[in-house]
Amino acid sequence: QVQLVESGGGVVQPGNSLRLSCAASGFRFSDYAMHWVRQAPDKGLEWVADLRYDGSNKNYADSVKGRFTISRDNSRNTLYLEMNSLRAEDTAVYYCARDVGSSSGRVRFDPWGQGTLVTVSS
Amino acid sequence: DIQMTQSPSSLSASVGDKVTITCRASQSINSNVNWYQQKPGKAPKLLIYAASSLQSGVPSRFSGSGSGTDFTLTISSLQPEDFATYYCQQSYNTRPYTFGQGTKLEIK
Repeated sequence: QVQLVESGGGVVQPGNSLRLSCAASGFRFSDYAMHWVRQAPDKGLEWVADLRYDGSNKNYADSVKGRFTISRDNSRNTLYLEMNSLRAEDTAVYYCARDVGSSSGRVRFDPWGQGTLVTVSS
Repeated sequence: DIQMTQSPSSLSASVGDKVTITCRASQSINSNVNWYQQKPGKAPKLLIYAASSLQSGVPSRFSGSGSGTDFTLTISSLQPEDFATYYCQQSYNTRPYTFGQGTKLEIK
């Protein structure tokens, strides 16, 4: 079945870095745009970044631009989020999600991974 | 950025009730709205896309409508498993793909 599994979360000090991974299975990963979305504790959803099926056209939320980098390795069916200069306000559960509609102009996220928690604290 | 404002923020209802959640966009986004359901400790799940299209596998008691700036998610007859938080999302051709603040649907 279609599955996304995030990993790499943990506790990190402010200013440090972390790399998240999202392993995809059950579908042709290289055919789909992918997104990262985060959710701070007891808060709503915030779109973070996305990239096209071939790794091009990367886009970021203003809150992470210049600090986070999204990438993918289609040979490994894996999506990444490199997070640098982390701040307390980056504390959140980070979800990866497949975009099943971008090719038709109807962007929508399905499915989502289970999420990985990043805690930025000294 | 396009802002998405949901109402109400929380809602109490009973099994069998009909429930409507609204979402207003800060500018016209045609029919580019998705709706997600999230249960505690779980990832969001896509319910409705393009304002009114039901995602495969989602029960038909869920429906969506609207275009331009005003959108609604309706649950025709609440079931116990429907108590969750619901989010709208704009998917117009401009990033960021912003979400509403969420509507928490609780059991009365």
